[in-house]
Amino acid sequence: NAGVTQTPKFQVLKTGQSMTLQCAQDMNHEYMSWYRQDPGMGLRLIHYSVGAGITDQGEVPNGYNVSRSTTEDFPLRLLSAAPSQTSVYFCASSYDGTSGGHYEQYFGPGTRLTVT
Amino acid sequence: AQSVAQPEDQVNVAEGNPLTVKCTYSVSGNPYLFWYVQYPNRGLQFLLKYITGDNLVKGSYGFEAEFNKSQTSFHLKKPSALVSDSALYFCAVRDSSGGYQKVTFGTGTKLQVIP
Repeated sequence: NAGVTQTPKFQVLKTGQSMTLQCAQDMNHEYMSWYRQDPGMGLRLIHYSVGAGITDQGEVPNGYNVSRSTTEDFPLRLLSAAPSQTSVYFCASSYDGTSGGHYEQYFGPGTRLTVT
Repeated sequence: AQSVAQPEDQVNVAEGNPLTVKCTYSVSGNPYLFWYVQYPNRGLQFLLKYITGDNLVKGSYGFEAEFNKSQTSFHLKKPSALVSDSALYFCAVRDSSGGYQKVTFGTGTKLQVIP
């Protein structure tokens, strides 16, 4: 299993440009999330999904869109990049197993985004 | 709203000494609690979790944590620190009620193990 993969690893955008961060998992997990990590602020939830076709907003959703057409893929779209979106972005997946199994999240390696 | 507090930005400990990284939480229902570790320029890796059952949980690399419901704490511990334990540690909480609930992370504690 590849686990959770993210592309690209690094990206530089100019203000106003748009782009899509890709996330895929091959573990058949039902739940997927996008976080951003900023110094001193921990991980903040942007959007999450509880299954194909179902998404919801997290703590900091403004400026980002998501969709989930398949169980495997959960892309994050930046509509019009701003310098405040300079951050490291992590995708994670999980599932709630029976009998107390699992629940923990599996994280991708991250995408480091700089907006100038 | 649920929250996690990691009161120490950094913890320094000598190699071979016991270490503790503190975490307190607030959640309306019963909690699911997690610890993750992040090495430089890497994603987060799962260390251990409390879902139900024994309050003392053991995880990877010799780490353990104790769930204390009355103090709403879930401190991470290790009896003897290694230099290789130096990393950023995150505590996280999720409400266990009503299907899937969002996970909230603390701001992280940098652990520095001094040789």
